[in-house]
Amino acid sequence: DIQMTQSPSLLSASVGDRVTLSCKASQNIYKYLNWYQQKLGEAPKLLIYYTNSLQTGIPSRFSGSGSGTDYTLTISSLQPEDVATYFCQQYNSWWTFGGGTKLELK
Amino acid sequence: QVTLKESGPGMLQPSKTLSLTCSFSGFSLSTSGMVVSWIRQPSGKSLEWLAAIDWDGDKYYNPSLKSRLTVSKDTSNTQVFLKITSVDTADTATYYCARVTMGITDWGQGVMVTVSS
Repeated sequence: DIQMTQSPSLLSASVGDRVTLSCKASQNIYKYLNWYQQKLGEAPKLLIYYTNSLQTGIPSRFSGSGSGTDYTLTISSLQPEDVATYFCQQYNSWWTFGGGTKLELK
Repeated sequence: QVTLKESGPGMLQPSKTLSLTCSFSGFSLSTSGMVVSWIRQPSGKSLEWLAAIDWDGDKYYNPSLKSRLTVSKDTSNTQVFLKITSVDTADTATYYCARVTMGITDWGQGVMVTVSS
């Protein structure tokens, strides 16, 4: 099984901040990595697929990068509507999700 | 417009079999490359992929749960089903069905299932 570890588990930031969320795989996942945003009481929403491809309709302030075992989701300028929990998901070998990063406003 | 909706029993007793239905519209599961998947999420916790079925009828299961899972689809390719046998309290979660293209692009609203005696 490929384990996905996200850090930090809780992140407090201010509106306008540049925010970076990390996701580490237990082995090389060859960029087969997606990011999802889940707001309270809602289903997750796909933000980024294949490490750095922005899903249709997602604001350009969201971006993804990484390779091998280490991946990053960046929000270039945090907006109030970005308060949510973010999950990474690998699909190199079956599918597994990270534990999530809860993003709150400072 | 793609929509998916899950339905299930709401509550069931330990050791029983959980049966879930995903009804969808806006796409056909008979279209080449189409995949529908089941994912669950215990309250306040992360997501766990359970199973998937593709346009060709091929089935994929989470290896850690495979012995308890059965995914299937109807002949009209508008519904997908999931059965989980021998449930216990650890199976209490919100269950989602979702369409998979480049990532899990479309999700149902989820159905909450509680396993309790």
